[in-house]
Amino acid sequence: QKEVEQNSGPLSVPEGAIASLNCTYSDRGSQSFFWYRQYSGKSPELIMSIYSNGDKEDGRFTAQLNKASQYVSLLIRDSQPSDSATYLCAVNRPTGNQFYFGTGTSLTVIP
Amino acid sequence: NAGVTQTPKFQVLKTGQSMTLQCAQDMNHNSMYWYRQDPGMGLRLIYYSASEGTTDKGEVPNGYNVSRLNKREFSLRLESAAPSQTSVYFCASRETGNQPQHFGDGTRLSIL
Repeated sequence: QKEVEQNSGPLSVPEGAIASLNCTYSDRGSQSFFWYRQYSGKSPELIMSIYSNGDKEDGRFTAQLNKASQYVSLLIRDSQPSDSATYLCAVNRPTGNQFYFGTGTSLTVIP
Repeated sequence: NAGVTQTPKFQVLKTGQSMTLQCAQDMNHNSMYWYRQDPGMGLRLIYYSASEGTTDKGEVPNGYNVSRLNKREFSLRLESAAPSQTSVYFCASRETGNQPQHFGDGTRLSIL
C-alpha cells in the first residue's frame, strides 16, 4: 500500500467550475498535510497546509481534512485556466523528517 | 530572497561520468532533502538531512551520495552515472516541526 494515493487524472473542468482533488494516506498518526501545485517544467509550489480536522480556506482554495477517514481534499472554486497544473498531496508522518508525496493529479481548466 | 538555489539547471553526462549537484538555502532551515521526479513516479526521496551533520537514506539512495557541508548547503553526488539516473532532481528545505518543504527550481539531468 502506498503511503499517499491520488487519482492521477487527468481531471478536466470548465472555467468557473469547482475542481475537487482527493488524496488518501495510510499512516493514521500523520499530522501535517500539504497541497503543492506544479506547472509543467517547474518545481512544486506550496499552496495549502492543513493540520486539524475540518476546512481551511485561502482565497479560491479550500483544503479539507478528515483524519478518521484518512482523507485530504483540495477544492478550487471559480477555476481559471491558470489553475491548469499537477497538484501534489504531501503528508508528514509523526516520526522522522520524511514527507510522502502522491503521484499527483493533473488538472486542466477549459476556457 | 533566493530561497533554495540549485546548480546547475541542466546537465548532460555520459555513462560512467561523475558529477555533484549543488543546493543552498538561505532560510536558516534545519532539514534538507533531495528528490528525483520521473514521469508517472511522482517525487521520490533519495537522501535527506534532518540537521547539520546528519544524513539518512530515503526511498531510492542507490547510486548516490550526499554531503551536508554546513547548515546552508546539501550536495548530491553521482559517482558513476547510469542512464537510469536520467531525471529531474529537486532539492528542498524546511524548518523542523510541522512546517512544509520549499523547493528549488530543479536540475534536469540527462545521461547518455
